Order: sequence, then structure tokens, then C-alpha cells
Amino acid sequence: QVQLQESGPRLVKPSETLSLTCAVSGYSISRGYYWVWIRQPPGRGLEWIGCMSQSGSVNYNPSLKSRVTISLDMAKNQFSLSLSSVTAADTAMYYCARDSALMDYWGQGTLVTVSS
Amino acid sequence: DVVMTQSSLSLPVTLGQPASISCRSSQSLVSSDGNTYLNWFQQRPGQSPRRLIYKVSNRDSGVPDRFSGSGSGTDFTLEISRVEAEDVGVYYCMQGTHWPRTFGQGTRVEIK
Repeated sequence: QVQLQESGPRLVKPSETLSLTCAVSGYSISRGYYWVWIRQPPGRGLEWIGCMSQSGSVNYNPSLKSRVTISLDMAKNQFSLSLSSVTAADTAMYYCARDSALMDYWGQGTLVTVSS
Repeated sequence: DVVMTQSSLSLPVTLGQPASISCRSSQSLVSSDGNTYLNWFQQRPGQSPRRLIYKVSNRDSGVPDRFSGSGSGTDFTLEISRVEAEDVGVYYCMQGTHWPRTFGQGTRVEIK
């Protein structure tokens, strides 16, 4: 059974960098698929942030591209999200998922608040 | 970006009655590989999204057969044949054919 679990700081100050990790179990990320980040501001809909494949191919949402970096750590079987220069508008539940076209497995999500 | 438009933001339904949610894309979702990557997700209150339907009409394991998906090209529908109390939540369509991936705005299903 594939499982994903997000982790990272729950509170980030404005202008700083948000960093999250998604630990994957039940499947080796080096075998394939794109590994995805999605977010959901409180009370709002889902926004696709971006993804990275095991071969190193990346795709980012153009609206966030200048601030986003996604990376994979094959040794730890996890992948990460970095979002720089955050503002209150980046306050959201952040989810990780497998496969950008089908999104078959999701993590439970982690709420990140941007506030001083 | 491909815009995904769901027909309604809110859908009040009566228990035991059918419900239908429409989703329209601004471009065809037929991929170069011949597949149509249109998926439906359910998000119950306080939970993460769960995929119900993938590639238009394929039901995920464990999803009740009262859920079905149909459509082609740019027009898609999620149907619930008989709504149960556990179906309350927000339903999203999502396209996985074009970059960036995009979601519909969500349709909240509630019991009358």
C-alpha cells in the first residue's frame, strides 16, 4: 500500500522560505512517476503547484514558478517543496501526491500558516 | 492554462435521489497517447481529496458503484445514482493532459 506523509514547519514568517517534505512508503520513487505538490487555501479549492519525475524532469505552475523548487531524495525515498518569499496568500493546506496525470495517492496534508 | 469549469458550486440533493456534476474544459483533454486524463476527486469535510474516477470513467477500487463518470473531449459528468449521507463533500474534476494540471472550482454536495 502506497502511503505519503507531509512534514515541515507549520508556521513561516513573511518573506521567508517554506520547506516541506513528503515521505513515501510502499513504493520506491526511483521506479517512476511524477511526484506532485498541491495546495488548498482555507475554504478554497485545489491548486496544483508542480511536480518532478525520477528522471529529473520538472513542471511548475507558471503562477508560482519563480518561487518554487521541487526536489527528490532517492536515498530517503522522499521529495521536497521549497517556496520562497512567502506572504499570507501562501497560507494553505499543502498536499503531496503521486502521478501528475492521475494523482492516485495523496498524503493527509499539512497546514502551513504564514504569519509574523 | 486549461480552465476547468464545473456547472455549479453547490448541489443540494435529497437522500436516495440521483445527482449529477458537470465539468467542462477549455481545451480537449485527449492526450497524444490517446488517453483522456480527466479525473474526479471527493473531499469529505476535514479530509484530504480522494480519487473516485480516473480517465473519465474508471472507478477506483473501493468506490461504490453508485458513482460513475462519463464524457469525452471537453465535456464530462460525474453521476451519483442514489445519494447517501456519506457522499456529502466537495467534488473536483481535474485534468492531467496539459501542463499545468488544473482543477475545477469544486461542487459542494449537501443534503436538503
